[in-house]
Amino acid sequence: NAGVTQTPKFRILKIGQSMTLQCTQDMNHNYMYWYRQDPGMGLKLIYYSVGAGITDKGEVPNGYNVSRSTTEDFPLRLELAAPSQTSVYFCASRAGETQYFGPGTRLLVL
Amino acid sequence: GNSVTQMEGPVTLSEEAFLTINCTYTATGYPSLFWYVQYPGEGLQLLLKATKADDKGSNKGFEATYRKETTSFHLEKGSVQVSDSAVYFCAAYNQGGKLIFGQGTELSVKP
Repeated sequence: NAGVTQTPKFRILKIGQSMTLQCTQDMNHNYMYWYRQDPGMGLKLIYYSVGAGITDKGEVPNGYNVSRSTTEDFPLRLELAAPSQTSVYFCASRAGETQYFGPGTRLLVL
Repeated sequence: GNSVTQMEGPVTLSEEAFLTINCTYTATGYPSLFWYVQYPGEGLQLLLKATKADDKGSNKGFEATYRKETTSFHLEKGSVQVSDSAVYFCAAYNQGGKLIFGQGTELSVKP
């Protein structure tokens, strides 16, 4: 049971480039989330999904997009990277009230 | 809306010292409360939770009691170890079903 996995672990992007952060869970959870973690700021919700085919915006969705074609996968897309998107990104899935987090993707936009 | 406030870090303690990390919340109703821990280089993992007033969550020697009167959920441990060095997050669900996190408190335990 791998839990929640994320790729890549680390990435450097140039301003204006695009990329997709991958997230997969093998626990058959319906709820999935994307957060960003900035130093000293806790976690902010970017997007979430309550099941395949259903996504919704969180607190800080601007500059990001998501899709949920399967229960397992919940990729996060950055279309035009900006320095303000430098952060650590965490994907999570949920069972009951407990959220299970992936190891994170550290993104640096220069 | 609901919010969670934690004491600022970093907190530096010697091994076997007593730990308290304060957490207070504002909420409509009585949401479940959580402590998550983030070890270096890893994602967050649930440490403990409490689902109603006066409940005590406990795990790995850590405890926290849901205090409705003071709207608090302080994390305590009687004797910390070097391996407890991590960032600790207090959290609560808001009315929209989203988990709201405090800003995190970094704990460093020295041998």
